[in-house]
Amino acid sequence: ETGVTQTPRHLVMGMTNKKSLKCEQHLGHNAMYWYKQSAKKPLELMFVYSLEERVENNSVPSRFSPECPNSSHLFLHLHTLQPEDSALYLCASSQDEGSYGYTFGSGTRLTVV
Amino acid sequence: GQQLNQSPQSMFIQEGEDVSMNCTSSSIFNTWLWYKQDPGEGPVLLIALYKAGELTSNGRLTAQFGITRKDSFLNISASIPSDVGIYFCAGRSSGSARQLTFGSGTQLTVLP
Repeated sequence: ETGVTQTPRHLVMGMTNKKSLKCEQHLGHNAMYWYKQSAKKPLELMFVYSLEERVENNSVPSRFSPECPNSSHLFLHLHTLQPEDSALYLCASSQDEGSYGYTFGSGTRLTVV
Repeated sequence: GQQLNQSPQSMFIQEGEDVSMNCTSSSIFNTWLWYKQDPGEGPVLLIALYKAGELTSNGRLTAQFGITRKDSFLNISASIPSDVGIYFCAGRSSGSARQLTFGSGTQLTVLP
């Protein structure tokens, strides 16, 4: 496998559920990112990890909890979400945090019911 | 934080026509990038610009880094059906922000 792989592609969850999104990159990159994409809005940066250390948390509610166990894997743990959290969640990676060449995964389409 | 204004929000064009879209920012940027997102996929980098005035092509795509460093343009010539998708501008300001700022996207529809 090459590039950035996200699973699952689609997820429907109730507001009381707990679920996790997974991202995996085989590019040897040191930085990984979580973005939220809602219709007709710019991509919203959620979290940044550099060398497995969280370097940015853009005022994201605590119901979203990231985890980066190693430089190839990134998780987004979800619990007690709201319907307005429904969106496409994109993972990206880059060689380093200051690199411009972000490689994106295909995203997880999340629907909260 | 920085904001990017991308226009138009959507475009409907005939196959074979040329397309132009642009992004403006309120602050000076030192890098401009253009991405395309196909339906059901993540954005893919098309063109990167690093110097004011720079004009760079990638096949039928041409992008320019504005002289004021506050804008960028993307042109697509002789559009084809596979050009359909959402085009995003992105950039990094000359300030302290280390991550990219994205525009809200231009939805392009190519009619046969």
